[in-house]
Amino acid sequence: SYELTQPPSVSVSPGQTATITCSADTLAKQYAYWYQQKPGQAPKLLIYKDSERPSGIPERFSGASSGTTVTLTISGVQAEDEADYYCQSADITVIDWVFGGGTKLTVL
Amino acid sequence: EGQLVESGGGRVQPGGSLRLSCAASEFKFNTYWMHWVRQAPGKGLVWVSRINTDGNDTRYVESVKGRFTISRDNAKNKVYLQMNSLRVEDTAVYYCARGAPQGFDPWGPGILVTVSS
Repeated sequence: SYELTQPPSVSVSPGQTATITCSADTLAKQYAYWYQQKPGQAPKLLIYKDSERPSGIPERFSGASSGTTVTLTISGVQAEDEADYYCQSADITVIDWVFGGGTKLTVL
Repeated sequence: EGQLVESGGGRVQPGGSLRLSCAASEFKFNTYWMHWVRQAPGKGLVWVSRINTDGNDTRYVESVKGRFTISRDNAKNKVYLQMNSLRVEDTAVYYCARGAPQGFDPWGPGILVTVSS
């Protein structure tokens, strides 16, 4: 299998924009997904297929892909956005899945 | 849309076995692939296993191959994870999740498995 690389932590002030990256060679060919996990809770799907947002997810959450890097952007960060964020992708040849190591977003 | 609830967790000694169950409701269970994902205390998410709609195609993360078996009962709307030869490093919260091209959604609340002597 392969690894998805995320920064361990990102800090941002309320109202600012947070950017979390996820990198792997396979992301040039495979979709990425993003999940938010708050302490004591199950993960929650935020973004699918690089940039699509499920219903109910606020518009301030957006995703983008460029080559081997995908990016989760949170615009106008709010205190409630403080959480761990995980990217995910698939090895489509065997349909195995992989998560990135996670990024802890701190709202200062 | 859709709910999942895990059960069957608990404390077991190294080398022991547990079977986790995940009960699905409010969606057409037999049309979705299902997954198990775990999270060790203070660590990140690790995909563990998945099963297709018919139950005849399964995959596992390398660290559990030969020890864990995923299965499903479409008549009961349940997916299972049989865990044998458990190790201390299998200690984690185990989540079941519905899989689709639109991602893993929903997730169950998770169930704790503790492997300790």
